[in-house]
Amino acid sequence: DAKTTQPNSMESNEEEPVHLPCNHSTISGTDYIHWYRQLPSQGPEYVIHGLTSNVNNRMASLAIAEDRKSSTLILHRATLRDAAVYYCSCMNYGGSQGNLIFGKGTKLSVKP
Amino acid sequence: EAQVTQNPRYLITVTGKKLTVTCSQNMNHEYMSWYRQDPGLGLRQIYYSMNVEVTDKGDVPEGYKVSRKEKRNFPLILESPSPNQTSLYFCASSFAGQGTSPLHFGNGTRLTVT
Repeated sequence: DAKTTQPNSMESNEEEPVHLPCNHSTISGTDYIHWYRQLPSQGPEYVIHGLTSNVNNRMASLAIAEDRKSSTLILHRATLRDAAVYYCSCMNYGGSQGNLIFGKGTKLSVKP
Repeated sequence: EAQVTQNPRYLITVTGKKLTVTCSQNMNHEYMSWYRQDPGLGLRQIYYSMNVEVTDKGDVPEGYKVSRKEKRNFPLILESPSPNQTSLYFCASSFAGQGTSPLHFGNGTRLTVT
């Protein structure tokens, strides 16, 4: 699995959009890009994933670069509840490939 | 409710005393895995299992054992815990499918070894 690199921390104001970047320059053609977030005192929770095309769901949007070497998680309007650590990971655990590598994550602070 | 359940949530033990942290999922997932989380190091995979009776090492397997006798359970065993295994542990599961399936995490077990 590809190694991912994320900024250690980011700040945002409430109700403004947030763009969280992730570099995964060694991603393989069969790796899916996953994003998880971890609220204080909880386990990580799934946010969104994609392969090549941009993806939207009720929580966020995922923008994937054309060469797939980077991606951006977009929170359209940050709320105080979005303050968390966000992890990007490239995952391909079909067949015999079950070794998953998470990055160190980006700690997002949201100011009122 | 679909969930991954870990027990106990908190555990304090002494060096060398064998312990088991249990993990159970009710979603019929093939894939299960264990992670440890330490400050500044993020999530690191300890062991994973692609299905019943199929387990393999992750990035930091030393000092740990696992077993997968049933699809729903994936216990983490520390035969002789040491202080450097003090950490926050998470179990996760998913349908095995080449990254198309999200991981579901438990709420964690905070282990302290004195």
